[in-house]
Amino acid sequence: AQTVTQSQPEMSVQEAETVTLSCTYDTSESNYYLFWYKQPPSRQMILVIRQEAYKQQNATENRFSVNFQKAAKSFSLKISDSQLGDTAMYFCAFMKRPQTGANNLFFGTGTRLTVIP
Amino acid sequence: EPEVTQTPSHQVTQMGQEVILRCVPISNHLYFYWYRQILGQKVEFLVSFYNNEISEKSEIFDDQFSVERPDGSNFTLKIRSTKLEDSAMYFCASRGTRIRAGQYFGPGTRLTVT
Repeated sequence: AQTVTQSQPEMSVQEAETVTLSCTYDTSESNYYLFWYKQPPSRQMILVIRQEAYKQQNATENRFSVNFQKAAKSFSLKISDSQLGDTAMYFCAFMKRPQTGANNLFFGTGTRLTVIP
Repeated sequence: EPEVTQTPSHQVTQMGQEVILRCVPISNHLYFYWYRQILGQKVEFLVSFYNNEISEKSEIFDDQFSVERPDGSNFTLKIRSTKLEDSAMYFCASRGTRIRAGQYFGPGTRLTVT
C-alpha cells in the first residue's frame, strides 16, 4: 500500500519570501508519479506541479519547484516569491504508473499555507 | 480550458435518503474518479471507472455506493441510503491518456446529511 505523509499541518510565509513544504511517501513501486495539488478556500483542487519518478531532473513550473529525492522518498515543494493568492491547502499526492486501469491518487493530510502581507 | 463540472454544489438530505451526485468530466477523458473529503481531513479515494466499468474501489465504497456513466457525458455517484458520516465534500476527477497531465478535479459537491 502507498502512504503519503505531510508533517507540517500549517505554515506561514511573508509575501515575496520563499517557503518549502515537505512530503514523504512510502511505496514499493519503482514507476510512479508525484503531484502537488492546491486547494484554495473555494475548495477546488488545482494541480500545481508533477514529477515522474523516472526523471532525475526536478520539475519546475514558474514560481513552483520540487526537490525530488527518490532514494529518500521525499518530494518537497518550494514556492518562491510567495503571493497572497498562494494561500491555500496544499496536498502531496502519489499515483502508481498504471499498467492497466485507472489508478487513483493517494493524498497526504495536507499543509495549510498562509501568505502574510 | 476544459474543466470538470459537478452538480449540485451543495446538497442537503435526510439520513436514509438516496442522493445522486453528478459530474461531467472533460470530454476526451477516459478515466473517471470519485474522491471524498470529510471536513478537515484528507482527500480519500472512493472509486475509479474506465471502459464502462469500475476499475478500482476503496473500502469506503461499499454496497451503499454505485457509479454510472449513463450517457456519453455524465458520470454519477449514487448513495442509496445516506448516513450522517457520509457528510463530506465529494470530488469528481477525470484523466486523459496522458498520465503525466494528472487528474483534473471538479469543484466538488458538498453533501450534508441531517
